Amino acid sequence: GQNIDQPTEMTATEGAIVQINCTYQTSGFNGLFWYQQHAGEAPTFLSYNVLDGLEEKGRFSSFLSRSKGYSYLLLKELQMKDSASYLCAVKDSNYQLIWGAGTKLIIKP
Amino acid sequence: ETGVTQTPRHLVMGMTNKKSLKCEQHLGHNAMYWYKQSAKKPLELMFVYSLEERVENNSVPSRFSPECPNSSHLFLHLHTLQPEDSALYLCASSHADRAGANVLTFGAGSRLTVL
Repeated sequence: GQNIDQPTEMTATEGAIVQINCTYQTSGFNGLFWYQQHAGEAPTFLSYNVLDGLEEKGRFSSFLSRSKGYSYLLLKELQMKDSASYLCAVKDSNYQLIWGAGTKLIIKP
Repeated sequence: ETGVTQTPRHLVMGMTNKKSLKCEQHLGHNAMYWYKQSAKKPLELMFVYSLEERVENNSVPSRFSPECPNSSHLFLHLHTLQPEDSALYLCASSHADRAGANVLTFGAGSRLTVL
């Protein structure tokens, strides 16, 4: 079966750095997405990786290793507004999106 | 405003009721989706209308029926639901080609409670 694993919940301190991991086992790979979802709001697109390496976008970076079936989302200089759920999704060989259950990130002052 | 609008935002219904969820996008996208989001579970794709084709998850009960009258509007008709159908129902849209969905734009969801 196809599976995406990410931690259920993480806690970090304002101003710090946090890394949210995502491991996947899918039938094929055609890209990996990260979305952010604040409570009661729509998920919004953060990043897309299809090649190995690090993609940086401001305070957020996303890394991919296809050989290890692994990605992480790195959030720097954490702000209270970064408290949200972070969803990892992989596009498989049939171009279908397989979703993880999401990681709830709690930022403390 | 995310570009995808869902109504109603909250809905409480009895098991014998019939109701509909509505979704609207004016982003020029050619694919629209219904997802079910339950606490601590992955998003579950229910239905897709893409490139004028409808694709459905065969595990979705027949008490859910979608309707897509045009590329901007999507409905989810609900009838004789069960309490386990209580969840957040998310609509999304995207540009789609033969390689599948690209970046999804989601609505804020309709929170459904079945009593």
